[in-house]
Amino acid sequence: NAGVTQTPKFRILKIGQSMTLQCAQDMNHNYMYWYRQDPGMGLKLIYYSVGAGITDKGEVPNGYNVSRSTTEDFPLRLELAAPSQTSVYFCASRVLRRRAGGELFFGEGSRLTVL
Amino acid sequence: TQLLEQSPQFLSIQEGENLTVYCNSSSVFSSLQWYRQEPGEGPVLLVTVVTGGEVKKLKRLTFQFGDARKDSSLHITAAQPGDTGLYLCAGAPTPETSGSRLTFGEGTQLTVNP
Repeated sequence: NAGVTQTPKFRILKIGQSMTLQCAQDMNHNYMYWYRQDPGMGLKLIYYSVGAGITDKGEVPNGYNVSRSTTEDFPLRLELAAPSQTSVYFCASRVLRRRAGGELFFGEGSRLTVL
Repeated sequence: TQLLEQSPQFLSIQEGENLTVYCNSSSVFSSLQWYRQEPGEGPVLLVTVVTGGEVKKLKRLTFQFGDARKDSSLHITAAQPGDTGLYLCAGAPTPETSGSRLTFGEGTQLTVNP
């Protein structure tokens, strides 16, 4: 019962470094999302994908990049890390159900600190 | 851009009390979901409401979708410490088509003290 798997769970970066957060799902979901969550706050959408080869920007895409070469994988790339990118990052996947919304399945999160 | 306003943002109550959390918008949603998030974990779906005026019950939790499908509420009866967590509402746009995204509220942080 893997669901959505995110790695790493924790990471500390220095300002200006780059890294990739990995996300994989084994439910054959077409829709995948990356959110960031600041302490005590809701979720802000960074990027999303409706299928392999298709990605689009969310509310807060600056400083990030994504790719979707397979249905299963949706990595998030941080270029030139800045302290403002300190946050918890959640990957999620979903099946679109026109009448019932479609449940989002979330990973356990990746806690990133930029010093 | 569709916005969802949740209130209150923070709620600290004693075990056994009742509470209501609200999720309001000026936009119409095709469906609305409620998630609960515990510390160190991702949000988990509690319920999806689809029809205007719909009421769903999940043990001590009662969810209601407004008649106009612009708002929703979550009522917890006799709250327990295990109910502690961040409650998030999320709305799906009308119509929900390929490429559409859920809109999340800012969340309500609930603490139930023993």
